[in-house]
Amino acid sequence: ETGVTQSPTHLIKTRGQQVTLRCSSQSGHNTVSWYQQALGQGPQFIFQYYREEENGRGNFPPRFSGLQFPNYSSELNVNALELDDSALYLCASSSGPVDDYGYTFGSGTRLTVV
Amino acid sequence: AQSVTQLDSHVSVSEGTPVLLRCNYSSSYSPSLFWYVQHPNKGLQLLLKYTSAATLVKGINGFEAEFKKSETSFHLTKPSAHMSDAAEYFCVVSESGGSYIPTFGRGTSLIVHP
Repeated sequence: ETGVTQSPTHLIKTRGQQVTLRCSSQSGHNTVSWYQQALGQGPQFIFQYYREEENGRGNFPPRFSGLQFPNYSSELNVNALELDDSALYLCASSSGPVDDYGYTFGSGTRLTVV
Repeated sequence: AQSVTQLDSHVSVSEGTPVLLRCNYSSSYSPSLFWYVQHPNKGLQLLLKYTSAATLVKGINGFEAEFKKSETSFHLTKPSAHMSDAAEYFCVVSESGGSYIPTFGRGTSLIVHP
């Protein structure tokens, strides 16, 4: 059983709307990252937070934003949804440097934009 | 810059036969390398990781991988496939001393026939 919980598990939104996805990490996991996984593709890095500050960002537009909170929870916000935003969104956390510890992943939120 | 190439999009084996999933990487720094597995409708689970210790790395469920710097490879193997191994497998590279942001390959789908 994973220690990372994501909500909701599935979501349907209309193009142009805004969405907030949530993630609850394990206690002590100061690093959290969000990934987008399109159907049949590998996960693409969106951004990473360490102790509530963004410390890395992938090739995603500013309408993708995030927050990390002191209680090890985090959010991914997407504004002005587009059809291509339909994907599985994965939250991943780590208790230390990711290149030493690896990630613990949540089961993801399946977002469908219609 | 870092990148990872999974050489096969699909690998098909019979139950009880060996598994080989191939991964080549590119990195400007000393890489950390990981294999993750994703079962249908599930999040990703860490199988094993290489972080500059022993070049032969043993993971969970009987999987292992060998880091070969001269070949820039990190192939995943298992002596005997089980039906429960059928899943999507991702090779991941992260640069120690670089961005620390892991890059995922496109994935290899392992199909196991009875």
